[in-house]
Amino acid sequence: LAKTTQPISMDSYEGQEVNITCSHNNIATNDYITWYQQFPSQGPRFIIQGYKTKVTNEVASLFIPADRKSSTLSLPRVSLSDTAVYYCLVGDIGNTGKLIFGQGTTLQVKP
Amino acid sequence: NAGVTQTPKFRVLKTGQSMTLLCAQDMNHEYMYWYRQDPGMGLRLIHYSVGEGTTAKGEVPDGYNVSRLKKQNFLLGLESAAPSQTSVYFCASSYSSGRGLNAEAFFGQGTRLTVV
Repeated sequence: LAKTTQPISMDSYEGQEVNITCSHNNIATNDYITWYQQFPSQGPRFIIQGYKTKVTNEVASLFIPADRKSSTLSLPRVSLSDTAVYYCLVGDIGNTGKLIFGQGTTLQVKP
Repeated sequence: NAGVTQTPKFRVLKTGQSMTLLCAQDMNHEYMYWYRQDPGMGLRLIHYSVGEGTTAKGEVPDGYNVSRLKKQNFLLGLESAAPSQTSVYFCASSYSSGRGLNAEAFFGQGTRLTVV
């Protein structure tokens, strides 16, 4: 499994765009990049997933450069309710079944 | 549609006692997982299963045992509880997507366990 590195914490204000970058230098050819969000006292929930270039859904965008050694989760115009821990996962999880979470990035959105 | 259900939601154990946490999913998922989450920390994988009758060790398996006798259930056992096992335990499940796109994992609501 590719090791991931992401900031421990970030602060933002309501209405701003937040970008959380994850480094995964030893990503393998078959690995996908997946992001989860966890609110306090709840289990994580899937946000977005990608292999290369850009993926966008109703919650976030995921930017992956050509070398795939990093990825950036972008949250447009955050609100207080986006305060959560965000986890970056990299692996061939669908094939191996091994789902490993790192430390995650704690995002605090302030009014 | 219940999704992933964990039983119990809260439990207090005395050191040395045993207990079993039950995880049940109604989505016919092949993969199931048990995690623990300590305050201010990320989730750590205890054990996981890629199908009925199979289990595998995760990152922190010591002190825990698991069984997957039925596809929909994944049991986590503590044979002799220790204060270091005080934590919130999460169960999750996902389908097997094979090589390529990773299937979304669905989590239960958690079990808060305190060992005194």
